[in-house]
Amino acid sequence: AQSVSQHNHHVILSEAASLELGCNYSYGGTVNLFWYVQYPGQHLQLLLKYFSGDPLVKGIKGFEAEFIKSKFSFNLRKPSVQWSDTAEYFCAVILSGGYNKLIFGAGTRLAVHP
Amino acid sequence: ETGVTQTPRHLVMGMTNKKSLKCEQHLGHNAMYWYKQSAKKPLELMFVYSLEERVENNSVPSRFSPECPNSSHLFLHLHTLQPEDSALYLCASSQDQQRGGRNEQFFGPGTRLTVL
Repeated sequence: AQSVSQHNHHVILSEAASLELGCNYSYGGTVNLFWYVQYPGQHLQLLLKYFSGDPLVKGIKGFEAEFIKSKFSFNLRKPSVQWSDTAEYFCAVILSGGYNKLIFGAGTRLAVHP
Repeated sequence: ETGVTQTPRHLVMGMTNKKSLKCEQHLGHNAMYWYKQSAKKPLELMFVYSLEERVENNSVPSRFSPECPNSSHLFLHLHTLQPEDSALYLCASSQDQQRGGRNEQFFGPGTRLTVL
């Protein structure tokens, strides 16, 4: 069965530190990839997405992610985090074709200390 | 404002109660979804509706009964729930990819359900 793995369940950083959150998926076919963020008390919001083309995608708030097909990975990065980035981050995959069945990872809780 | 609204935001119910969750999307999408978000578990897809037709039922117990009267509204009817059903229930909508959509799903704020 298809699955999404997020390697870090909890990450604690100081402001201005660099961030990289890992995401791997298990599916050999064409996929669409997403990172969603859930700030405390708020709804899930889309950070960025990859459908095709340039494997380095840029999202909102300075986030970017790189799709590496050979590694089945879609890691999220930000060069310098802020306290306001404290949130839970979810990687998700849709298998291209068929209905929109989003498969989520378990999420990574990020805490950024001032 | 996400364009997807859910009511109520919080619900406490006993195991013998019957209640309904409501979702409304204002984005002109043609597909709607119910997800369950429990602590320490990945979001679980429960149901998918495309053009008001249920196209996915992810092995959800019959005590959860979805209803999609039109492409803008989605309900989740609850009856004889168990305490382990306590969770955040999220609704989402998208433009169905088989009809030219690009798969991005927009989420509502969720209903925090507690079953006593």
